[in-house]
Amino acid sequence: AQSVAQPEDQVNVAEGNPLTVKCTYSVSGNPYLFWYVQYPNRGLQFLLKYITGDNLVKGSYGFEAEFNKSQTSFHLKKPSALVSDSALYFCAVRDKYSGAGSYQLTFGKGTKLSVIP
Amino acid sequence: EAQVTQNPRYLITVTGKKLTVTCSQNMNHEYMSWYRQDPGLGLRQIYYSMNVEVTDKGDVPEGYKVSRKEKRNFPLILESPSPNQTSLYFCASVPGQGYSGNTIYFGEGSWLTVV
Repeated sequence: AQSVAQPEDQVNVAEGNPLTVKCTYSVSGNPYLFWYVQYPNRGLQFLLKYITGDNLVKGSYGFEAEFNKSQTSFHLKKPSALVSDSALYFCAVRDKYSGAGSYQLTFGKGTKLSVIP
Repeated sequence: EAQVTQNPRYLITVTGKKLTVTCSQNMNHEYMSWYRQDPGLGLRQIYYSMNVEVTDKGDVPEGYKVSRKEKRNFPLILESPSPNQTSLYFCASVPGQGYSGNTIYFGEGSWLTVV
């Protein structure tokens, strides 16, 4: 079974400060890891993913995430937060070797990011 | 433009009145699925389809039906909606049949309220 934990329901950060949204995962094999963002009244937009290779993944809108296998984490980061980054962020995982079937992406419960002007 | 299109975006209906939420993608993706999003629960998969005429249950299939008669369309059917099906619904598609780390493309979401 695979699972994802986003330990913070809400993260508040001042504009211009660095931000981190935390994610830890559990899979039996090796993971595919994703971050999605949901702006108010909108669908989910893909930010970035880790498949293999470099542990530091760069994505859209200046976001990046670091895959840490020993800590089973995939935290989302941005060096300087913008008010427009305020949204709901979802981490998701899929076991690389789960094979055919549901393409089951397991999502975390989401973290609401508020960037304060 | 590559997109997943859902309709309706907003719907208020009454208990027991059958409804269908349509989903269409223009990317020729084999894999499509439906999720529901509820506060504090994240996204949970309802049904998925690996190709035309191939569908299967996700984590929360009770009270829903789907069909996949054409590659581009994957409608979600609520035969007898109940208030616990009030939720935000997302359709999604993925290239291939779901074996890899391909990115999921989501629709804009359909807000459904059952009274």
